[in-house]
Amino acid sequence: KAGVTQTPRYLIKTRGQQVTLSCSPISGHRSVSWYQQTPGQGLQFLFEYFSETQRNKGNFPGRFSGRQFSNSRSEMNVSTLELGDSALYLCASSLEAGNTEAFFGQGTRLTVV
Amino acid sequence: GDSVTQMEGPVTLSEEAFLTINCTYTATGYPSLFWYVQYPGEGLQLLLKATKADDKGSNKGFEATYRKETTSFHLEKGSVQVSDSAVYFCALSPNDYKLSFGAGTTVTVRA
Repeated sequence: KAGVTQTPRYLIKTRGQQVTLSCSPISGHRSVSWYQQTPGQGLQFLFEYFSETQRNKGNFPGRFSGRQFSNSRSEMNVSTLELGDSALYLCASSLEAGNTEAFFGQGTRLTVV
Repeated sequence: GDSVTQMEGPVTLSEEAFLTINCTYTATGYPSLFWYVQYPGEGLQLLLKATKADDKGSNKGFEATYRKETTSFHLEKGSVQVSDSAVYFCALSPNDYKLSFGAGTTVTVRA
């Protein structure tokens, strides 16, 4: 059974640009959550999607957005990139909404220069 | 708000030593508690979990007991190996929609 797949693994962007990250959950999992990991702030919850709907959102500015498709794959978008957006972005999938037995992908390492 | 505090690292041990990583939490109600492990260059892996008071989670020789009276969920392993070198995160889920993580503890095991 394939795990959570995140693409790309590494990304370098320039300030002001936008970026889209992709996450394919484990087959059969319908909930996808996104987390940001930085040395200073640690792991912080961005948002959760279930059945193509955002269920919950963390305390991040509107530049951070996401969506989920009918096949449960999810994308997150960050617009007008800032240097502080440099981080490891982790996607986690769960069987159902609110099921926090989450399985994480390897993450996308975003560097903003 | 809900939060997790875990002991600061880094922790350096010799092989076969006993490992303890302290974790305490603040939450309303009865959260589920987790330990995740992150190996270099990897995402997080669920190590163990406990969903109610006095539950003991265990996996790969690691154990943690949900102690409501002390609001703690300390991770222990009796005999560590070099392969246990990683960053360990304590986490809680207060209302089943997100995980709140501690800052992480880096553990290095030397041969």
